[in-house]
Order: sequence, then structure tokens, then C-alpha cells
Amino acid sequence: AQKITQTQPGMFVQEKEAVTLDCTYDTSDQSYGLFWYKQPSSGEMIFLIYQGSYDEQNATEGRYSLNFQKARKSANLVISASQLGDSAMYFCAMRGGGGSNYKLTFGKGTLLTVNP
Amino acid sequence: NAGVTQTPKFQVLKTGQSMTLQCAQDMNHEYMSWYRQDPGMGLRLIHYSVGAGITDQGEVPNGYNVSRSTTEDFPLRLLSAAPSQTSVYFCASSPRGAFYEQYFGPGTRLTVT
Repeated sequence: AQKITQTQPGMFVQEKEAVTLDCTYDTSDQSYGLFWYKQPSSGEMIFLIYQGSYDEQNATEGRYSLNFQKARKSANLVISASQLGDSAMYFCAMRGGGGSNYKLTFGKGTLLTVNP
Repeated sequence: NAGVTQTPKFQVLKTGQSMTLQCAQDMNHEYMSWYRQDPGMGLRLIHYSVGAGITDQGEVPNGYNVSRSTTEDFPLRLLSAAPSQTSVYFCASSPRGAFYEQYFGPGTRLTVT
């Protein structure tokens, strides 16, 4: 069974500062992948970044980077230079290997508020 | 491409009523899934399909039925609605071999009174 834990129900950050959203995971699969999604108040799920378990480099997408520490089973999202539009709910999710490739397990989310 | 579409956007049902949430994708994706999102719970997998004619249960399948007669469509049926099924429902699709690509629909907000 897979499990995703997001321990920060809410986070606050000042505009233009960096923020780290925590995510730890548990799985017995050797091959797996980790996702981060953003959900603004409008409700849609927006894909941000993906990291495969065998990827040697940490994933980056613009202002988003994923701090992947395999031994610690953590996959923290770092948002640099926060913007007011980054205020949203953020979900960490995981896919498993084999037959679980296409099934996602989600954490409970972190509500990020960016202050001007 | 319209991507993943879901209808309706909002729905109110009375306890015991049945209905079908529609999901369609025009990207020829083999894999499709249904999730529900409850406050404070994140998204949880209800049912999924790895191709036309093949479906399987996810984490919270009770009270829901699915079928996949075509690649494009993956409807979710509520057989006898209960207040516990009040939630936001998301459909997602993914192409074979690219499991890092998950496309979500806009969601359906369902209220059962």
C-alpha cells in the first residue's frame, strides 16, 4: 500500500520569497513516481511537476523544483519567488509500479497563502 | 483537443436517486480514472480502467458503478445516492506508457440531500 503524508495543513509566505511544501511517502515499490498538483479556488487540478524514482536529477519546472531525497522518502516542493497567484491548495501524489502505474494516491494537501 | 470533459458541473440529488456522471476524453488515452475529493481528504480513487471493456476498483468503490464501452467515455454511475457521496468528482486520463501525464477534468460538484 502507498501512503502520502503532507504535514503542513497551511503555510504562509511573503510575496517574492521562496517556500517549501513538505511531502513524505511510503511504498514498497522500486519503481514509482511523485507528482505535485496545484488546486486554485476555482477547483481545477493543475499539474506542476513530476519526479520518477530512478531520475537522478531533481525535477525543475520554471519556479517549481522538487527536492527528492529517496533515502528519506521525501519529495518536497520548492516554489521560488512566490507570487500572489500561487495562493492555492497543493497536493502531493504518488503512482506505484507495475499494475499501479496509472493510479494515484494523494496526500491531504497544504493550503498556501501568499501575502503581499 | 477538448481534453477531459465532465458533465454536469453541478448536481443536486435526493437520497436514493440514481444518476450518471459523464466523462469523455478526445486524446485516445487508454487509461481513465475517477476520483472523489472530500474536504481535508485529498483525492481518493473510486474506479479505474486500463482500456475499453476493462475496469477495476480503487480505494473507495462502494456505491459506484463504471463501464468502459469505448476508449473515449468512462461514465460513473451512482446507483442509490447517499449524503456520504456528497463530494467533488474528478475524472482523469493518461496515455499508455506515459504515466507521468495525468490529465484531469474540471470536476463535478455533487450534493446529496
